[in-house]
Amino acid sequence: EDQVTQSPEALRLQEGESSSLNCSYTVSGLRGLFWYRQDPGKGPEFLFTLYSAGEEKEKERLKATLTKKESFLHITAPKPEDSATYLCAVQGHSGGSNYKLTFGKGTLLTVNP
Amino acid sequence: DTGVSQDPRHKITKRGQNVTFRCDPISEHNRLYWYRQTLGQGPEFLTYFQNEAQLEKSRLLSDRFSAERPKGSFSTLEIQRTEQGDSAMYLCASSLTGLGDTQYFGPGTRLTVL
Repeated sequence: EDQVTQSPEALRLQEGESSSLNCSYTVSGLRGLFWYRQDPGKGPEFLFTLYSAGEEKEKERLKATLTKKESFLHITAPKPEDSATYLCAVQGHSGGSNYKLTFGKGTLLTVNP
Repeated sequence: DTGVSQDPRHKITKRGQNVTFRCDPISEHNRLYWYRQTLGQGPEFLTYFQNEAQLEKSRLLSDRFSAERPKGSFSTLEIQRTEQGDSAMYLCASSLTGLGDTQYFGPGTRLTVL
């Protein structure tokens, strides 16, 4: 069964203080690894999809990287509006299930001004 | 239409009542998914449709839960004889075959069972 573990559970940064969030995963045949941002009371907002080890994607202050066992979401010079819960999910070939996402519990990021 | 929509956004019901939620996917998306999210947890997969066919159901989806997607457009999720443990955010997502199966989520329906 696919598993995703995110760390830390919560992270508090000062504005401009760069850091990284970790997503460790086990999956039977990775189809894709997904990062989402979720604000309180709202649905997850898509950020990135990574398909193979070594792949990197960037969007504004965010950069996602992927290895065979984990993914990192790097946040460079964060701003208060980056405060949210960041969710990692995998999609794998598991027991005939090719399309469901298995999520971690998320990392709650707070950026103080 | 620029995103997935869900209705209602909030639902409060008494234990034992039936509730039904609706999801309208992004236009032309052929896959539709339902997830459930409780406080402090990531979303958990419930079921998914490709067009009008329900292709997979999670063990979380007890006999009290039923989902439909008539004509491959909108979908409904019904919970019969609600229990307090059903209180959660119910999320709908849709995707289009060939675009990396990226799932786009709606705003969710918050269910509270008293």
